[in-house]
Amino acid sequence: EDQVTQSPEALRLQEGESSSLNCSYTVSGLRGLFWYRQDPGKGPEFLFTLYSAGEEKEKERLKATLTKKESFLHITAPKPEDSATYLCAPEGGAQKLVFGQGTRLTINP
Amino acid sequence: DTEVTQTPKHLVMGMTNKKSLKCEQHMGHRAMYWYKQKAKKPPELMFVYSYEKLSINESVPSRFSPECPNSSLLNLHLHALQPEDSALYLCASSPGPGGAYEQYFGPGTRLTVT
Repeated sequence: EDQVTQSPEALRLQEGESSSLNCSYTVSGLRGLFWYRQDPGKGPEFLFTLYSAGEEKEKERLKATLTKKESFLHITAPKPEDSATYLCAPEGGAQKLVFGQGTRLTINP
Repeated sequence: DTEVTQTPKHLVMGMTNKKSLKCEQHMGHRAMYWYKQKAKKPPELMFVYSYEKLSINESVPSRFSPECPNSSLLNLHLHALQPEDSALYLCASSPGPGGAYEQYFGPGTRLTVT
């Protein structure tokens, strides 16, 4: 059975304090791994797709990386507007996204 | 443009009512999805339409009835819902089914069943 675990569940950082979010997955026939950002009461916003181990993608203060068992979302010098829930979702052979529980990130000014 | 629109934004309905949620995209995407999201939980897949045909039903109760009138529109018909069905209902679309295409989500409909 496909499984996804995100850690930590919640993370509080000071503005400018860099950190990483983890997504561990067990998915048969990984086709791609997606990262989304979700603000309260809104739909998830697409951030990145990673297709193979070793791949990296960057967008502003965010960088996503992928290994055969994990993906990391690195956030560098975060700002308060980066506060959100970050969702990891691999897609396997069933051709469906398998969402993790998310990491609730709070950046204090 | 990567916009998916959903109406209404909020809906309050009684357990005997019939209502519909609507979703629209104009990106030429051929796969559309309905998800249900409870507070502090990730989205749960309900239905997938591929090329206007229902391809996945995640064992959703029959009180939820999806419809895809054309490639741009997706409806979710609601009837005899229970209070535990109260949630944020999200629509998404992607260029195609499978193939690891990114899904673009709408803002959601906040449904309250009284």
